[in-house]
Amino acid sequence: KNEVEQSPQNLTAQEGEFITINCSYSVGISALHWLQQHPGGGIVSLFMLSSGKKKHGRLIATINIQEKHSSLHITASHPRDSAVYICAVFTGNQFYFGTGTSLTVIP
Amino acid sequence: ETGVTQSPTHLIKTRGQQVTLRCSSQSGHNTVSWYQQALGQGPQFIFQYYREEENGRGNFPPRFSGLQFPNYSSELNVNALELDDSALYLCASSQALAGGQETQYFGPGTRLLVL
Repeated sequence: KNEVEQSPQNLTAQEGEFITINCSYSVGISALHWLQQHPGGGIVSLFMLSSGKKKHGRLIATINIQEKHSSLHITASHPRDSAVYICAVFTGNQFYFGTGTSLTVIP
Repeated sequence: ETGVTQSPTHLIKTRGQQVTLRCSSQSGHNTVSWYQQALGQGPQFIFQYYREEENGRGNFPPRFSGLQFPNYSSELNVNALELDDSALYLCASSQALAGGQETQYFGPGTRLLVL
């Protein structure tokens, strides 16, 4: 069993739709990261969370420590949001990664 | 641009050879982490260095080793290369504060092909 599970694995949306990607984890963590990876390999760190909620532009990330669950929301999705979104947790001395959610936003 | 650079961008090696990959951290960052990402899969944590000391390690054999230098640049060394070592190798730097893990800034990666 993976320490970090993401859903869905693949997601196709129409431009403008509200998108939610979920992440559940089974280990104790000190922080959770949401990452974005575009084709070609470049990874961008979107959020680092240890509690509550963060917002950056059209992106919102929430975490519920008690339920060991986090969500990444994209409002008013755009084709340039098409990428793989990866959830990663840090336990204090090790990282675990989800397998990623591949998002395609159609114009 | 994250300010994190990696070299080389890509390289080809043969089984049994050794390889050294380099990472230059963002200025002011004291922590560097290395990851292996096989094609079509998520990254796997290799290890992390904080102020030149190993600070955590994933499930990788000892032939994967690292160094962090006083200027916080870093190397990943892989000995006795195997075909399965073919992957994208990513480094990420951060400024770790007491008791906390800060945002990571990723380099563009080095793509390694082992033949």
